[in-house]
Amino acid sequence: EDQVTQSPEALRLQEGESSSLNCSYTVSGLRGLFWYRQDPGKGPEFLFTLYSAGEEKEKERLKATLTKKESFLHITAPKPEDSATYLCAVRFYGGATNKLIFGTGTLLAVQP
Amino acid sequence: ETGVTQSPTHLIKTRGQQVTLRCSSQSGHNTVSWYQQALGQGPQFIFQYYREEENGRGNFPPRFSGLQFPNYSSELNVNALELDDSALYLCASSLDRDRGVHFGNGTRLTVT
Repeated sequence: EDQVTQSPEALRLQEGESSSLNCSYTVSGLRGLFWYRQDPGKGPEFLFTLYSAGEEKEKERLKATLTKKESFLHITAPKPEDSATYLCAVRFYGGATNKLIFGTGTLLAVQP
Repeated sequence: ETGVTQSPTHLIKTRGQQVTLRCSSQSGHNTVSWYQQALGQGPQFIFQYYREEENGRGNFPPRFSGLQFPNYSSELNVNALELDDSALYLCASSLDRDRGVHFGNGTRLTVT
């Protein structure tokens, strides 16, 4: 069964304390792994799409990497405004274009 | 570039009633999909429309139905509302199957 698991469920960091979020997946035929940021009461905000093992993408303090079984979202020197829920999702071959399977997210809190 | 817009932002309905939620896709995006997000969970795929035809469906009953219009706007209709239908309903659009999937800010539906 296609599945996405994120860890940890919640993470509390001090401002400037770097860390990583994990997303492991089991899907037959990966056609994209997506990272989103979601603020309370808002829709998911698109961050990255990764397509093949070894691929990396960066945006400000965030860097996403992909292997054959998992993805990491590295947060370097986080600031309080990085506090949010980070969602990982996968799209697979044979599925509908916009059918993404989501994990339950990691709730990140960055304290000043 | 316009984003994905949804209306209304909040809605309160009574069990057994019917509801229609609306979405305007990002400019040029011809594929639209709908998701249900319960509190503390990742979004769950409901269905997808491409060129005004449903071409992918998740594990949701037939009382969840939709429409897509020639201008790529879309509606989600839910009949015979149940208490468990209370959730954030998200609309998402993409240009094609190998691009990012972009979400609106959702409609918060409360069923009492």
